[in-house]
Amino acid sequence: LAKTTQPISMDSYEGQEVNITCSHNNIATNDYITWYQQFPSQGPRFIIQGYKTKVTNEVASLFIPADRKSSTLSLPRVSLSDTAVYYCLVGALKAGTALIFGKGTTLSVSS
Amino acid sequence: KAGVTQTPRYLIKTRGQQVTLSCSPISGHRSVSWYQQTPGQGLQFLFEYFSETQRNKGNFPGRFSGRQFSNSRSEMNVSTLELGDSALYLCASSHEGAANTGELFFGEGSRLTVL
Repeated sequence: LAKTTQPISMDSYEGQEVNITCSHNNIATNDYITWYQQFPSQGPRFIIQGYKTKVTNEVASLFIPADRKSSTLSLPRVSLSDTAVYYCLVGALKAGTALIFGKGTTLSVSS
Repeated sequence: KAGVTQTPRYLIKTRGQQVTLSCSPISGHRSVSWYQQTPGQGLQFLFEYFSETQRNKGNFPGRFSGRQFSNSRSEMNVSTLELGDSALYLCASSHEGAANTGELFFGEGSRLTVL
């Protein structure tokens, strides 16, 4: 399983765009990149997933360069409710593969 | 569609006791995995079950065990509780059809306090 490295914490203000970068130098050919969000005392929630280039959904965008050794989660115009821990996971979408969560990035959004 | 349900939500035990936690997955989901979350270690994978079989296991002592029933409901058990077992225990289910999408649906967790 590829190891991931993310910043421990980030601070932002409401209305700003936040980019959280995750390094995964040992990513394998079959690995996908998945991001989860977790609020205090709740289980993590799936945000977005991608394999290469760019993926966008209603809440975030995921940018993956050609070498796939890193990825960037982009949250447009954050609000106070985006304050949470964000986890980057890398792994194959294969039956029975355990998803390994790292320490995540604690994002704090202020007004 | 109902989400993942975990019971009990909160419980307090003393050292040496044992505890059983229950998880009901989303209807139709056959994979259930368990995670332990503590402030110091973060989210750690315990084990994963699919169709009543344990497919994957994390690096936890044998005091931690689990099982899955034919209706996909799962239980995990921790015997001889230690203070360090105090944690939020999270259950997640996923749907596996032709491929594993990698999307886990988590419950709200069972918060265990060991005194």
